Amino acid sequence: DVKVTQSSRYLVKRTGEKVFLECVQDMDHENMFWYRQDPGLGLRLIYFSYDVKMKEKGDIPEGYSVSREKKERFSLILESASTNQTSMYLCASSLYARAHAFFGQGTRLTVV
Amino acid sequence: QQPVQSPQAVILREGEDAVINCSSSKALYSVHWYRQKHGEAPVFLMILLKGGEQKGHDKISASFNEKKQQSSLYLTASQLSYSGTYFCGTESGSARQLTFGSGTQLTVLP
Repeated sequence: DVKVTQSSRYLVKRTGEKVFLECVQDMDHENMFWYRQDPGLGLRLIYFSYDVKMKEKGDIPEGYSVSREKKERFSLILESASTNQTSMYLCASSLYARAHAFFGQGTRLTVV
Repeated sequence: QQPVQSPQAVILREGEDAVINCSSSKALYSVHWYRQKHGEAPVFLMILLKGGEQKGHDKISASFNEKKQQSSLYLTASQLSYSGTYFCGTESGSARQLTFGSGTQLTVLP
């Protein structure tokens, strides 16, 4: 079965901390995505990657960075967490462009 | 830029029909539809790759009007299990990114 695994379901971090959200897919997919989900705003794309070490900004990249050192792993980094980054974060992957995406279960991050 | 979905929310009785619309200001290469149940990950429903394409399975179908840069999702004779939030995702031109709308919350009542 296809699987996208996010390392944590729930995280609580303090303002100013550096936060790492990890995502692993076991399907040899080219593309990986990070979204944040907020009520009324839907899924907003933060960053995506179509190959190892390649990354592209999405619609809301400010305050975030990403790392993709291996094909199966895509990390989202909050360099200095702020309270307005409290949200649900969803990772997704797809085999290639124009293929459908598989989502992880999400990480609910609370920054206090 | 996010595609625009309408309506934002809809409440139905079992057996009723619903239409969810998705439109974009950009020329679209493909449209994806996903459903997310409360507390779960979004799950893929279908993808439309060509203008004019229509797809469906069970009683859920969709159409893609490339010229109008919009897609519609049709839910026929709705069942309780159809409840959830429906998202359209769009790919534009050469962009590899998949951008989603704000979602339509569908509630089916007995």
